[in-house]
Amino acid sequence: EIFLTQSPGTLSLSPGERATLSCRASQSVSISYLAWYQQKPGQAPRLLIYGTSSRAAGIPDRFSGSGSGTDFTLTITRLEPEDFAIYYCQQSSRPPPYTFGQGTKLEMK
Amino acid sequence: EVQLVESGGGLGQPGRSLRLSCLTSGITFRSYDMNWVRQAPGKGLEWIGFIRGDIYGGTVEYAASVKGRATISRDDSKETSYLQMDSLRVEDTAVYYCTTGTHFAFDFWGQGALVTVSS
Repeated sequence: EIFLTQSPGTLSLSPGERATLSCRASQSVSISYLAWYQQKPGQAPRLLIYGTSSRAAGIPDRFSGSGSGTDFTLTITRLEPEDFAIYYCQQSSRPPPYTFGQGTKLEMK
Repeated sequence: EVQLVESGGGLGQPGRSLRLSCLTSGITFRSYDMNWVRQAPGKGLEWIGFIRGDIYGGTVEYAASVKGRATISRDDSKETSYLQMDSLRVEDTAVYYCTTGTHFAFDFWGQGALVTVSS
């Protein structure tokens, strides 16, 4: 089983600032199998990034993903008020199980 | 428009069973793997299993935490996936989501079904 560790646990920033969220895997993950999700209270998660760096439909270009091997990053440039939420990374390496990181809470300073 | 709608949540008693349904529309259902993910109150997301699309054999995989107690199935004629949880435990209390997608990620999610396990 591949474990994903996200850091920091909580990130306090102001609108307009840049956010950098980290996801570290316990073993190498193919770039095809790493995704990022955003979740707001009371809502289902929303896919932001798939295949490490491809934005899902309708996702603004201030969201970007990068990384390889065991280290992956989600970057949000110029934070908007609606970006404050919890972010999860997730891997879908074969064979299962698929796993999620524990989440990073992005809160407004 | 793709829609996934879960139903069947509610109060379950410890040791009993509960079955959730996920009705889909807007996708070629038989081609899609159907995953189930849960989220305990105030906690993160936990993948619990999936069933492959019919064209991929319809086989199932489970997380170790639910293996032996969870059964995922599908009815392609009804475009519906099912999750049955047996021998319910208090720690199974969670919002259960069905989800699917492409590119090895979960593009589409249901609204979630709350399952509360309590005597």
